[in-house]
Amino acid sequence: DTGVSQNPRHKITKRGQNVTFRCDPISEHNRLYWYRQTLGQGPEFLTYFQNEAQLEKSRLLSDRFSAERPKGSFSTLEIQRTEQGDSAMYLCASSSITTQYNEQFFGPGTRLTVL
Amino acid sequence: DAKTTQPTSMDCAEGRAANLPCNHSTISGNEYVYWYRQIHSQGPQYIIHGLKNNETNEMASLIITEDRKSSTLILPHATLRDTAVYYCIVRVATNAGKSTFGDGTTLTVKP
Repeated sequence: DTGVSQNPRHKITKRGQNVTFRCDPISEHNRLYWYRQTLGQGPEFLTYFQNEAQLEKSRLLSDRFSAERPKGSFSTLEIQRTEQGDSAMYLCASSSITTQYNEQFFGPGTRLTVL
Repeated sequence: DAKTTQPTSMDCAEGRAANLPCNHSTISGNEYVYWYRQIHSQGPQYIIHGLKNNETNEMASLIITEDRKSSTLILPHATLRDTAVYYCIVRVATNAGKSTFGDGTTLTVKP
C-alpha cells in the first residue's frame, strides 16, 4: 500500500502525559498536513509543511503541540501535558507540488483518548 | 477560502443516484470546488474537483452552476459502501495550504 500511513492507529493516555504520533506521506509528496477532528465535526487544520519547512500553523496549535518533519519525509506530532480536550482523531495528509490542483490524500488517522 | 453550506444529512436508496448539494455563494473566480468523503473511522478520501465545467471520473460527477454559487455531487448508482460523510470544500487550487472543512453531509444509502 503506497498511501499515507499513520502510527499508532489508537492511543490511550492519562492526562498530563506526552504523546507522539508519526505520519509517513506518499513517497513523492513534498507537502504534508496535520488536521484534528472531533466527533461529529469536520477536520480542522493544524499545520502544514513543504519539505522540511513548517509554512503555516493554526491558532489551534497551542504551545503544547509541536510538529516536525526533519528530513522532509515523515513527520511527527507531539502533544505535551495532554488534556482531556485533546481527545480527537489526528489526521495526516500529503500532496505533491507537481500536482496542479493540490489534491490532498489522507491517512487513516490516529485516535487519541485522554483519560 | 469561501464558506460552504451543505445539508446535514440525506438518505438514498441503493442503486439510485445520490445528489448531494453544496452552496458556495461567496466563491471567488480562482477558487475550485473539491469534494471529499469520509467513511466511518477512516481518513477523508478525495473524490473530485472542478472550476466551472462539469466533471466526471470513475467515482462521481460534479455539476457546477453557471454562476458557480452552488454545485452538486452525483453518485450515479449508490451502493451501501457509499454511506459516508461528504465534504464540499472551496479553495484556490494553487494554494498549498489548508483545506477548510465544514461539517459535511451524512449520506445514508439504504437497501
